Amino acid sequence: EAQVTQNPRYLITVTGKKLTVTCSQNMNHEYMSWYRQDPGLGLRQIYYSMNVEVTDKGDVPEGYKVSRKEKRNFPLILESPSPNQTSLYFCASSQRGPYEQYFGPGTRLTVT
Amino acid sequence: SQQGEEDPQALSIQEGENATMNCSYKTSINNLQWYRQNSGRGLVHLILIRSNEREKHSGRLRVTLDTSKKSSSLLITASRAADTASYFCATALIQGAQKLVFGQGTRLTINP
Repeated sequence: EAQVTQNPRYLITVTGKKLTVTCSQNMNHEYMSWYRQDPGLGLRQIYYSMNVEVTDKGDVPEGYKVSRKEKRNFPLILESPSPNQTSLYFCASSQRGPYEQYFGPGTRLTVT
Repeated sequence: SQQGEEDPQALSIQEGENATMNCSYKTSINNLQWYRQNSGRGLVHLILIRSNEREKHSGRLRVTLDTSKKSSSLLITASRAADTASYFCATALIQGAQKLVFGQGTRLTINP
């Protein structure tokens, strides 16, 4: 089954404690992206990757890091989480470019 | 500010009626996409319309695009309870075309 998986699905953490949210897709897609969703703000793109070792900033990259060492994986790293990063995070992938994206189920992150 | 803005923010109709949602954007686009999100879940791609297309159909969905007015509409005909969800437009820009910018969404409720 074609899918995008994210782990963990729920996470409560404290300010400053580094964390990684994993994202994996099994469709051999070149393009992968991370979004955050906040009430009243819709989805905002954090980072995206056109292919292995090719990443670029979205609209809200501050406080986040990503890497793309393998085609199927695109982890999101929060080196020092802060409460304003409390949000619902989605990973997405698509064949080539930001078209017809497949979304993961989401990770609900709370930073206290 | 958001590239895409949707109208209305919320819409409630009776089952069987048609639902129309509108999306306006600010800068020139490569394509415009519509996605559906069921309560806190991952988004599902519905339809993509390219900048050189004016209308597109998929099942009960009809999307129009007016690039002169920088606007798009999504029509869902013969609505069903299962159509209850949030609907988002997303634009892939000509400049920075590898980004996908989402609107804030329309919350659609279908009453039985």
